[in-house]
Amino acid sequence: DAGVIQSPRHEVTEMGQEVTLRCKPISGHDYLFWYRQTMMRGLELLIYFNNNVPIDDSGMPEDRFSAKMPNASFSTLKIQPSEPRDSAVYFCASTPPGLAVYEQYFGPGTRLTVT
Amino acid sequence: GENVEQHPSTLSVQEGDSAVIKCTYSDSASNYFPWYKQELGKRPQLIIDIRSNVGEKKDQRIAVTLNKTAKHFSLHITETQPEDSAVYFCAASRSGGSNYKLTFGKGTLLTVNP
Repeated sequence: DAGVIQSPRHEVTEMGQEVTLRCKPISGHDYLFWYRQTMMRGLELLIYFNNNVPIDDSGMPEDRFSAKMPNASFSTLKIQPSEPRDSAVYFCASTPPGLAVYEQYFGPGTRLTVT
Repeated sequence: GENVEQHPSTLSVQEGDSAVIKCTYSDSASNYFPWYKQELGKRPQLIIDIRSNVGEKKDQRIAVTLNKTAKHFSLHITETQPEDSAVYFCAASRSGGSNYKLTFGKGTLLTVNP
C-alpha cells in the first residue's frame, strides 16, 4: 500500500495566482480530510468528505478556498487567489470505514509558499 | 465546538527520564482521544489512542490516561530515548455516525537530550 499520496510536495507561487493541491487517499478509505498546519495555528481541519460528499467545511477560511472530491480516489484543494498568509503545510488524511477505526492516515504534505 | 488545550508547548528531558504531556478538552460528549507524533519535516502518525470507556491504556513505553470528569487526558512516555524527540499532538473527537472530526491541540515539542 502506497499510503496517502499528495502532490506537489512543494509549491512556490506569487500572490494572486491560483494554487491546486492534490490528494489520493488510501484505496478503500471512505473518509478524506484536508488540514492546514502553521506554527501559529497548529493543525487546523479545513474540510472533510465521506464517500466523496463534503460533511463539514466549517474550517475553510474563506471563499478563496474550495475543495472537491470527484471520485473515491482523488481530491483537490484550490486556493484562488492565493495570498502570503496562505503559506503553510497542507496535509491530506484518510480513514477506513467502520465505527471501530478512527485512525487518520496522513499524507506527506504539500509545503505552500506564497510570495 | 470542541476546544483542546495542550501543555507544555515545549519539554526538554534527559534520556531515560519520563515525559508527561497534558491536554484538556471542552466538549463533554467527546469520546475519542488520539495522540499523534510528528517528526521534523514528516507527517503526523498515530502512536496511541483511548476511548471514553477506558481510563488508561499502555503500549510498551507509552501510556495515556483519561479523566472524563475533569475532561483531561495525558500522555506518559517512560525511559525516553533520543528518537522520541518530536512534536506530539493530542486530539479529541465526538466520533460516531458520520462524524470523524478531530480537534487538535497546538502541540508539544519534546526534546530528549542524550
